[in-house]
Amino acid sequence: DTAVSQTPKYLVTQMGNDKSIKCEQNLGHDTMYWYKQDSKKFLKIMFSYNNKELIINETVPNRFSPKSPDKAHLNLHINSLELGDSAVYFCASSRAGTGSRSPLHFGNGTRLTVT
Amino acid sequence: RKEVEQDPGPFNVPEGATVAFNCTYSNSASQSFFWYRQDCRKEPKLLMSVYSSGNEDGRFTAQLNRASQYISLLIRDSKLSDSATYLCVVNPVPSGTYKYIFGTGTRLKVLA
Repeated sequence: DTAVSQTPKYLVTQMGNDKSIKCEQNLGHDTMYWYKQDSKKFLKIMFSYNNKELIINETVPNRFSPKSPDKAHLNLHINSLELGDSAVYFCASSRAGTGSRSPLHFGNGTRLTVT
Repeated sequence: RKEVEQDPGPFNVPEGATVAFNCTYSNSASQSFFWYRQDCRKEPKLLMSVYSSGNEDGRFTAQLNRASQYISLLIRDSKLSDSATYLCVVNPVPSGTYKYIFGTGTRLKVLA
């Protein structure tokens, strides 16, 4: 029944490693997002995909590469992890077609800790 | 000026009190507004959308003031379970691109 699910929930890794976070939604939405919430709790958009096409890339380092194999999935791969990448990463989705008035639905987050 | 601004609080209120938060936005073309609630270490959850004419959902009332570019959230008869961070969300473009901008959140503590 989970609407937006992301895995893993926790990720602890060392600097320099490469890791991936997966996200899937079963709401039939065609727009998906990655948000980062840092230690100050500020939620900042990273990427937005609409029907598998990248539509927003908010000056995120190119070590971060999103991939959307279909409109129900949006994965995030991070190369050469740095200490500053430690944060909670939230996947979200929304419905297109209703314009910008559709609210976001969030996954339960991936807490990434880089040591 | 930040795109979306909120008073971070915390707002400490006794049970049963009425509390109100404001959120200002900078883009006058913004069309969509929402209030989300986030509990500690959890994902944000939609509390309510904000409509032009204002709207109410139980103890919660949301208002939009386009002239002054702010939205508000009023919580009546506060419960302990209302303790959380309340996030204001604005979509700053009329349509087409989907870029939901979050405020920093206002922390509410309801005290017994």
